[in-house]
Amino acid sequence: KAGVTQTPRYLIKTRGQQVTLSCSPISGHRSVSWYQQTPGQGLQFLFEYFSETQRNKGNFPGRFSGRQFSNSRSEMNVSTLELGDSALYLCASSLGQGWQETQYFGPGTRLLVL
Amino acid sequence: GENVEQHPSTLSVQEGDSAVIKCTYSDSASNYFPWYKQELGKGPQLIIDIRSNVGEKKDQRIAVTLNKTAKHFSLHITETQPEDSAVYFCAGDSNYQLIWGAGTKLIIKP
Repeated sequence: KAGVTQTPRYLIKTRGQQVTLSCSPISGHRSVSWYQQTPGQGLQFLFEYFSETQRNKGNFPGRFSGRQFSNSRSEMNVSTLELGDSALYLCASSLGQGWQETQYFGPGTRLLVL
Repeated sequence: GENVEQHPSTLSVQEGDSAVIKCTYSDSASNYFPWYKQELGKGPQLIIDIRSNVGEKKDQRIAVTLNKTAKHFSLHITETQPEDSAVYFCAGDSNYQLIWGAGTKLIIKP
């Protein structure tokens, strides 16, 4: 079974721009969660989608948004980029309830904002 | 807000020795506590998890213990090997999301 894939793997943007990241979950998985990872801060939960609906959202500003398509693929968008948005963005897929079962992570998209 | 604290941030052990990483959590309603291992350039991977109705769980060289009264749980790795070198994260569920510790970098010295 193919694992979770994320595109692109690396991205360089400038302040004020917007960016869209993509995540393809493991086949059959309906839940996709997004995390921001910065050095020394662990993983910060952004949001979770299940069957095209946002089921839960973390403590991030409205500049961070996402969506999920009928094939469970998900995208996240960050508008008006700030220097502090530089991070590794990880997506994880799971069968159902992402907060209570195994999450399978992709390799991440490393975003650098200049 | 809910919080998971993880210690130590870096742990260096001799190959063959044991390693212990500890986490405390604040939400008394938490029921699910996974441990993930992240190798360089990769996403985290689940290595073991424990639910609140169990005090201890073991899988070969890895074990996790949970003390719900004290709100802490620990990861134990015995007979450490070079491939155990990685960053380890603990997490706990709270309000339909996982709250993560800041991570422990485990270094295995030859």
